[in-house]
Amino acid sequence: TQLLEQSPQFLSIQEGENLTVYCNSSSVFSSLQWYRQEPGEGPVLLVTVVTGGEVKKLKRLTFQFGDARKDSSLHITAAQPGDTGLYLCAGEGDNAGNMLTFGGGTRLMVKP
Amino acid sequence: NAGVMQNPRHLVRRRGQEARLRCSPMKGHSHVYWYRQLPEEGLKFMVYLQKENIIDESGMPKERFSAEFPKEGPSILRIQQVVRGDSAAYFCASSPYTSYEQYFGPGTRLTVT
Repeated sequence: TQLLEQSPQFLSIQEGENLTVYCNSSSVFSSLQWYRQEPGEGPVLLVTVVTGGEVKKLKRLTFQFGDARKDSSLHITAAQPGDTGLYLCAGEGDNAGNMLTFGGGTRLMVKP
Repeated sequence: NAGVMQNPRHLVRRRGQEARLRCSPMKGHSHVYWYRQLPEEGLKFMVYLQKENIIDESGMPKERFSAEFPKEGPSILRIQQVVRGDSAAYFCASSPYTSYEQYFGPGTRLTVT
């Protein structure tokens, strides 16, 4: 069974601060996706990383896939109240078909 | 281009009744996935379907749960004789190809009373 450990579970910071969310596993993933989920809604895809060591930027968000494709991080620079939400990482296993294994999520609150 | 559609958005059933959840994938997508999100837990894979085929149902409970994706019409997740523990948010996702990004619908929130 593949597992994804996401940390921290909760994060409360002031506007303008930087933060990093981590997603770790002992398993190798063929790709890793980051989603953001608002209350009462479905996850919205932010980015997909595929290659070990890959870095992708989305405005103030920077996503990195570990060299061994077992871990990933999401870094937010100068957080804004609009970044508040639940961030989820999800990995597609090398030998697990197409199912996504989700981390437990990081609930971020950015205070003005 | 409409996204993944799910209905109903909210469903209330009494114990023992049947629940039918529908999912229409994005236009051009022929791969459908169902996930369940229990209260205070993460999303868990249930089943992966292509048109008229169940590809992977390793996450489906062995009893009372079934899924289909007919040639015409939406994918259906069916839960027979619901129990309180079935109360959860059920999400459908679709993708155009195998091993490609999955796009999620807004979910159906099932409450069993």
